[in-house]
Amino acid sequence: AQKVTQAQTEISVVEKEDVTLDCVYETRDTTYYLFWYKQPPSGELVFLIRRNSFDEQNEISGRYSWNFQKSTSSFNFTITASQVVDSAVYFCALSGLLIGSGNTGKLIFGQGTTLQVKP
Amino acid sequence: DGGITQSPKYLFRKEGQNVTLSCEQNLNHDAMYWYRQDPGQGLRLIYYSQIVNDFQKGDIAEGYSVSREKKESFPLTVTSAQKNPTAFYLCATGEEGAHNEQFFGPGTRLTVL
Repeated sequence: AQKVTQAQTEISVVEKEDVTLDCVYETRDTTYYLFWYKQPPSGELVFLIRRNSFDEQNEISGRYSWNFQKSTSSFNFTITASQVVDSAVYFCALSGLLIGSGNTGKLIFGQGTTLQVKP
Repeated sequence: DGGITQSPKYLFRKEGQNVTLSCEQNLNHDAMYWYRQDPGQGLRLIYYSQIVNDFQKGDIAEGYSVSREKKESFPLTVTSAQKNPTAFYLCATGEEGAHNEQFFGPGTRLTVL
């Protein structure tokens, strides 16, 4: 089965705390892609990062970092020194050649994690 | 401005009525997608189209219909056959291919009265 699980439904932290959002996936694909999106209260999803299954290097972008571990099928997202503007719903998603017909780019989303950062 | 436009932002429908949600893009992307978002369930794919005049059912296509007569436009009709249409609907576009990210519109919130 192709599946993405975000076990944390809601997380609440105080500003400047570090927070990690978990993402675990299942797929039969050998080539696949993982994504993180942010959905602020306005509703529009914003693309944050893409990772392919052959690249296990961690990535850092400012206060954001991502830890991809194929051995545990996880793609976790850490926000360092959180800010109130980070409050949003965060989605992890999976795409692969077997998920759609051919190479369609069909995304399978996790349930999302609502992050609340309090001042 | 480049981007994806969805209209209307809010839509109210009486039971038994069909309604059409608009999605327009000027990003010149080949692929377009419709997702439904319900609280606590993430996004689920309704329909997608990789090319003009062609589209495919997603995971929850029952009670919905689409058309793709122009590259820029991918309207979604919610028919009276959809049992529980109240939800947030998101349109997305992207270059064809599993490796490409999708870009999302601002969404339409549909409420059935």
